[in-house]
Amino acid sequence: GAVVSQHPSWVICKSGTSVKIECRSLDFQATTMFWYRQFPKQSLMLMATSNEGSKATYEQGVEKDKFLINHASLTLSTLTVTSAHPEDSSFYICSARVSREQFFGPGTRLTVL
Amino acid sequence: QQQVKQSPQSLIVQKGGIPIINCAYENTAFDYFPWYQQFPGKGPALLIAIRPDVSEKKEGRFTISFNKSAKQFSLHIMDSQPGDSATYFCAVTTQGGSEKLVFGKGTKLTVNP
Repeated sequence: GAVVSQHPSWVICKSGTSVKIECRSLDFQATTMFWYRQFPKQSLMLMATSNEGSKATYEQGVEKDKFLINHASLTLSTLTVTSAHPEDSSFYICSARVSREQFFGPGTRLTVL
Repeated sequence: QQQVKQSPQSLIVQKGGIPIINCAYENTAFDYFPWYQQFPGKGPALLIAIRPDVSEKKEGRFTISFNKSAKQFSLHIMDSQPGDSATYFCAVTTQGGSEKLVFGKGTKLTVNP
């Protein structure tokens, strides 16, 4: 149980395009999901907290117009990187909370050329 | 300000050894302390977690020791195997609200055959 999936697992796009990443809880419902960014050999950096049916809460320094988050259902949250640039290249990971535990997806590797 | 300090940054042990990873925190409001294991290119996986009302928790070969007065907790891996080679992250959180996790910087563990 408590499986979280992400799609796509990797994506390469051209600078200026937008990319959507999906995060799904497969066998449970999650009112709260989180989006993280991880640079090579570094820890996870929380970008935003996504609550079903309400606006996401962004961490300080994260551009909400750049990283659009939608949590339309109890099993799906999406992160859209708008007008992506090479500096947005990173490993993006989502998680879903069940009680006190957070279960993470496998991550999405984004490369912006 | 780093809310949770993790050490060491890297650790090399021989197969069968007992690597120990330590974390220290300042905020006494933290009340849930999970450990995550992450392999390269994958999302973190929850290993084991502890609450402050117990001093030790064991699950298989993984043990958390918790020292509330010292505000420290550690992960011990018994009979370590090469397959345990990964990066380990401690985390802390408080009850209520979104319960977002604050991660340590990670420890890269290498278990040599």
